[in-house]
Amino acid sequence: AQSVTQLDSHVSVSEGTPVLLRCNYSSSYSPSLFWYVQHPNKGLQLLLKYTSAATLVKGINGFEAEFKKSETSFHLTKPSAHMSDAAEYFCVVTLTGNQFYFGTGTSLTVIP
Amino acid sequence: DAGITQSPRYKITETGRQVTLMCHQTWSHSYMFWYRQDLGHGLRLIYYSAAADITDKGEVPDGYVVSRSKTENFPLTLESATRSQTSVYFCASSESLFSNTGELFFGEGSRLTVL
Repeated sequence: AQSVTQLDSHVSVSEGTPVLLRCNYSSSYSPSLFWYVQHPNKGLQLLLKYTSAATLVKGINGFEAEFKKSETSFHLTKPSAHMSDAAEYFCVVTLTGNQFYFGTGTSLTVIP
Repeated sequence: DAGITQSPRYKITETGRQVTLMCHQTWSHSYMFWYRQDLGHGLRLIYYSAAADITDKGEVPDGYVVSRSKTENFPLTLESATRSQTSVYFCASSESLFSNTGELFFGEGSRLTVL
């Protein structure tokens, strides 16, 4: 069995401060992990993905995530938040040849 | 334009009516998916398709029907709409489900309200 848990449903940060969005997964196998972003009234867009290569993955718009197998985590970070980062973020896990499983999402608010 | 398009973007209907949401992709991706997005549930898979004429149920298939006669199209039909089917529906496609190539490409969503 596998699942993905996003530990915070809402996160608020001030513009220019770091962002941390937390994701834990449970999987019996080596997973592939993704972060997607959804801006209001838009579809989801891929931010970054981990596919068993480097454990530190860099994505678009300055985001990165680190795969930690011992902690079964794949937290998303950004050093300095921008107003345009305000959106909903989804952590997603999949096994080879299987479906994509979505977390329930984290809403990021950026305070000017 | 290349990409994945959904229509209609907004739809209001009444309980008991049939509704079809259309999804078209221009990449010739093998896999296509329908998700519904509801507050507190994230995205839940309704149906998916691995190729033309091959479809399979996801997590919440009841009340929905899909078909895939052509690779590029994957319509979702609500045969008799219910209020609980009020949601935002997303179509997605993927070239592969394998770990080193798989990623999902999403349409912009169809917001359905059932009165």
